[in-house]
Amino acid sequence: EAQVTQNPRYLITVTGKKLTVTCSQNMNHEYMSWYRQDPGLGLRQIYYSMNVEVTDKGDVPEGYKVSRKEKRNFPLILESPSPNQTSLYFCASSPYTPADNYGYTFGSGTRLTVV
Amino acid sequence: QKEVEQNSGPLSVPEGAIASLNCTYSDRGSQSFFWYRQYSGKSPELIMSIYSNGDKEDGRFTAQLNKASQYVSLLIRDSQPSDSATYLCAVYSGSARQLTFGSGTQLTVLP
Repeated sequence: EAQVTQNPRYLITVTGKKLTVTCSQNMNHEYMSWYRQDPGLGLRQIYYSMNVEVTDKGDVPEGYKVSRKEKRNFPLILESPSPNQTSLYFCASSPYTPADNYGYTFGSGTRLTVV
Repeated sequence: QKEVEQNSGPLSVPEGAIASLNCTYSDRGSQSFFWYRQYSGKSPELIMSIYSNGDKEDGRFTAQLNKASQYVSLLIRDSQPSDSATYLCAVYSGSARQLTFGSGTQLTVLP
């Protein structure tokens, strides 16, 4: 089944404890992206990647890191999480950039709480 | 800042009616436009995309794009209670190389 897999689905952590949210897609998509979703603010892009070893910042990159060493994986790293990073996170992928009119396939989401 | 604006709603329509969802965007250079549906507690799923002025139909859904007015809409014909969800408009800007989402319109279809 074609899908984007995120792990974990739920995570409660403490301020300052490094964590990684994994994202993997099995569709050979070139374009991958991370979003966070907050009430009243909608989906905001954190980082995106147009291909292996090519990543760029979105609208809200502060406090996050990403890497794209393999085409299928695009992990999101929080080096020192803070309570304002409590949010619902989505990983998404598409065959090429949205400029080519390809829509995203989203993962199931990761609900992160930082206390 | 590239902006995508949607009326947050809630929008309520009776079953069988046409639901009309609207979206405006600020970047005149925007290239591609998307509508996603998100059920409560679930991830967004793509309904349809459009990139040329005019209408694009897919089943009960019609997307309409007017680049001169910087306006994109989604019509849902014969609305069903199962269409009750939040509808997200997304716009791709080539200059920013980003897909920007509106905050969504909550639609309720009343039986």
